[in-house]
Amino acid sequence: AQKVTQAQTEISVVEKEDVTLDCVYETRDTTYYLFWYKQPPSGELVFLIRRNSFDEQNEISGRYSWNFQKSTSSFNFTITASQVVDSAVYFCALSEAGAAGNKLTFGGGTRVLVKP
Amino acid sequence: KAGVTQTPRYLIKTRGQQVTLSCSPISGHRSVSWYQQTPGQGLQFLFEYFSETQRNKGNFPGRFSGRQFSNSRSEMNVSTLELGDSALYLCASVFGGGAYNEQFFGPGTRLTVL
Repeated sequence: AQKVTQAQTEISVVEKEDVTLDCVYETRDTTYYLFWYKQPPSGELVFLIRRNSFDEQNEISGRYSWNFQKSTSSFNFTITASQVVDSAVYFCALSEAGAAGNKLTFGGGTRVLVKP
Repeated sequence: KAGVTQTPRYLIKTRGQQVTLSCSPISGHRSVSWYQQTPGQGLQFLFEYFSETQRNKGNFPGRFSGRQFSNSRSEMNVSTLELGDSALYLCASVFGGGAYNEQFFGPGTRLTVL
């Protein structure tokens, strides 16, 4: 069965510091997709990034970057030069190509608090 | 383009009652998924509908049910409410049917069961 683990429950940083969020996943599928979502206090989940299981190239998008390593089943996410508006709960999620329908399995979330 | 809308935003019910939540997906999106979010269990998948057919269902009791209409709008129903059903219920819509598509979430319905 699929599983996503986010070991960090809460991270507190001062503005402009970098923040790295850890995510470890388990799946039996060979084709799967990994996502990061952000949930601000308003409650609505916002899509940030996606990576498929065949593409281990790490990328940078603005202040966001991610490190996908299949060998360790990890999909870590970094916010560079954090800002107060980055304060939110961040969720890592897994979607399996072999599963019926659009189903996301979420990790427990990491609360990020960015202090001015 | 309008986002995913959910009604009502807040709801208070008592144990034993039933409740119906509504979700209108982004125009053109044919898939709607429902998730329950609680402090203890986190975000859990309830079910997903695509073109009026339920394609997947999470590990929830039969008291939780849903449906999708021909215009892709979806409803979920919880019968015989229990205190533990208090949660934020999130709906998400997806354009296509594949697992690679990002899901667009609505603001949620916060259900409180007294």
